[in-house]
Amino acid sequence: QVQLVQSGAEVKKPGSSVKVSCKASGGTFSSYAISWVRQAPGQGLEWMGGIIPIFGTANYAQKFQGRVTITTDESTSTAYMELSSLRSEDTAVYYCARVITMVRGVKGFDAFDIWGQGTMVTVSS
Amino acid sequence: DIQLTQSPSFLSASVGDRVTITCRASQGISSYLAWYQQKPGKAPKLLIYAASTLQSGVPSRFSGSGSGTEFTLTISSLQPEDFATYYCQQLNSYPFTFGPGTKVDIK
Repeated sequence: QVQLVQSGAEVKKPGSSVKVSCKASGGTFSSYAISWVRQAPGQGLEWMGGIIPIFGTANYAQKFQGRVTITTDESTSTAYMELSSLRSEDTAVYYCARVITMVRGVKGFDAFDIWGQGTMVTVSS
Repeated sequence: DIQLTQSPSFLSASVGDRVTITCRASQGISSYLAWYQQKPGKAPKLLIYAASTLQSGVPSRFSGSGSGTEFTLTISSLQPEDFATYYCQQLNSYPFTFGPGTKVDIK
């Protein structure tokens, strides 16, 4: 069974960058898209962007355009999310999730079926 | 961007109760909607995709319905392990937005 294992907690200064990793084990990596979702303390879920490893093209939420970069390394089955120009509002748990497409009839329906354990990123001076 | 609203934002219920959560989209999304359950300190768990299809391993007391702009998640008989926060998510178009969540608490 596929598992997504994320890197450990980070504490960063405002204005710096953070790079969180998400390593897949137990299954095929490049066939599925990976999305990144964050959750600020006590708040809801926020989609940041995603990538399809086999194509290498990423889509980002406009809110994060220019500050976030999502990449993959197929040789190590690892996805990365780098967020720059950090501010206190970026303090959150960051999750990676596998995006699976399930076919019903002639349509394909996406869903986030497997999630990493989350990485806490704290931005503080 | 497609906005999702959920109602109620909080509900208090007892074990055995039937619980219904509504999710509304700001524009039509066909059946491109998923539901997730999240417990404190844990990652979300997929319950339902394509608006009404139960994810493998999810108990049958969970069900989803709807299409277009209005969707519901129903728990037919609430169990102690169901007390959690529930989120809907649209996957019709980028960005894949989430609803604000509904917290289900013990009465």
